[in-house]
Amino acid sequence: GAVVSQHPSRVICKSGTSVKIECRSLDFQATTMFWYRQFPKKSLMLMATSNEGSKATYEQGVEKDKFLINHASLTLSTLTVTSAHPEDSSFYICSAFGGNTEAFFGQGTRLTVV
Amino acid sequence: GEDVEQSLFLSVREGDSSVINCTYTDSSSTYLYWYKQEPGAGLQLLTYIFSNMDMKQDQRLTVLLNKKDKHLSLRIADTQTGDSAIYFCAESIQNTDKLIFGTGTRLQVFP
Repeated sequence: GAVVSQHPSRVICKSGTSVKIECRSLDFQATTMFWYRQFPKKSLMLMATSNEGSKATYEQGVEKDKFLINHASLTLSTLTVTSAHPEDSSFYICSAFGGNTEAFFGQGTRLTVV
Repeated sequence: GEDVEQSLFLSVREGDSSVINCTYTDSSSTYLYWYKQEPGAGLQLLTYIFSNMDMKQDQRLTVLLNKKDKHLSLRIADTQTGDSAIYFCAESIQNTDKLIFGTGTRLQVFP
């Protein structure tokens, strides 16, 4: 089946620095990718929809200047957490559709801001 | 707005059946999904059901959909310790590829 690779799987960064998370579709082209954030004991929340070649669409309450999304090609979307703070610590997951009903998810990135 | 709810915890004995319930609010959902998340891992699609179906069975998994009540359930027969994980239901938003997830149900299987 289709594979989505997310990197890194785990990152620890200092408060105030920026972190980039990559999401790649390995064997299919994804014109649209999605970024989710998982809060402890809570659900996955859709943060934004990443569209190849255009600006991302952010969900209400998500700061676009803090969570920069770039979808430069049909196989790569990146999420950059800028000026990270401890409250940004979370599990971030990307997903892409492979052209049918199934969404394929990356392995997720555990971000810890210290 | 869209909202999907699940109970947070479920504990079952090995060999028994598990039933995980989910309620959603968007009646225009096209597909409804069940995902499994093991510790530290991403999401694995278990099964999905089209909104005009009532039931879908796939080996040990049975999905029931009550569209009138907007209620979705996942039954796992002969639950095993390897089934211990967090289970998320999700609904697709009509005309988009967005998924709205439930809060997740942590299933714990004990011997």
